[in-house]
Amino acid sequence: DVKVTQSSRYLVKRTGEKVFLECVQDMDHENMFWYRQDPGLGLRLIYFSYDVKMKEKGDIPEGYSVSREKKERFSLILESASTNQTSMYLCASSLKVGGGDTGELFFGEGSRLTVL
Amino acid sequence: AQTVTQSQPEMSVQEAETVTLSCTYDTSESNYYLFWYKQPPSRQMILVIRQEAYKQQNATENRFSVNFQKAAKSFSLKISDSQLGDTAMYFCAFRDDKIIFGKGTRLHILP
Repeated sequence: DVKVTQSSRYLVKRTGEKVFLECVQDMDHENMFWYRQDPGLGLRLIYFSYDVKMKEKGDIPEGYSVSREKKERFSLILESASTNQTSMYLCASSLKVGGGDTGELFFGEGSRLTVL
Repeated sequence: AQTVTQSQPEMSVQEAETVTLSCTYDTSESNYYLFWYKQPPSRQMILVIRQEAYKQQNATENRFSVNFQKAAKSFSLKISDSQLGDTAMYFCAFRDDKIIFGKGTRLHILP
């Protein structure tokens, strides 16, 4: 089975702290994604990556950065956390388009971040 | 720009009943994928069912089926013989070069 693992299920941080959210997948997927999930807003794409050292901005990249040094790992970074970044963060992975890609995303369990 | 609309924020049905969740989308593309994902309480999101736009036949997975109306850009999910374990948040999603999610429908199955 595909496994997408997010390092922390729950985090509590203070305003201004630097926050790292880690995501690892074990299925050799090329594509990886970070979403933010808020009630009434659904899932919003923050950043995505189609290859190692490659990153693309999603719909709401402000206040976030990402790192993909290895194919299996995609990190989301909050350089200076703010209270409006309190949210559930979901990591997902998928095969590349045209590479046997069925379009399906495989999700981690989510990281619930609270910024005080 | 592509959009996905789920018009039912929350629904409740009795166990064993059939329920239909609605989803409409907007795109100018002709070839794309549509999905329904399920997110149980405090658990990870999983794929329920997938539909490829070029296939006219509606997808079915056990108790889950879709009504795909390409011309109307409608993609509803039908859950037959609903079970308590179907209680979850359901997201409709559209994909061509990127994936766009609706805002979700919270479904409660009542005993």
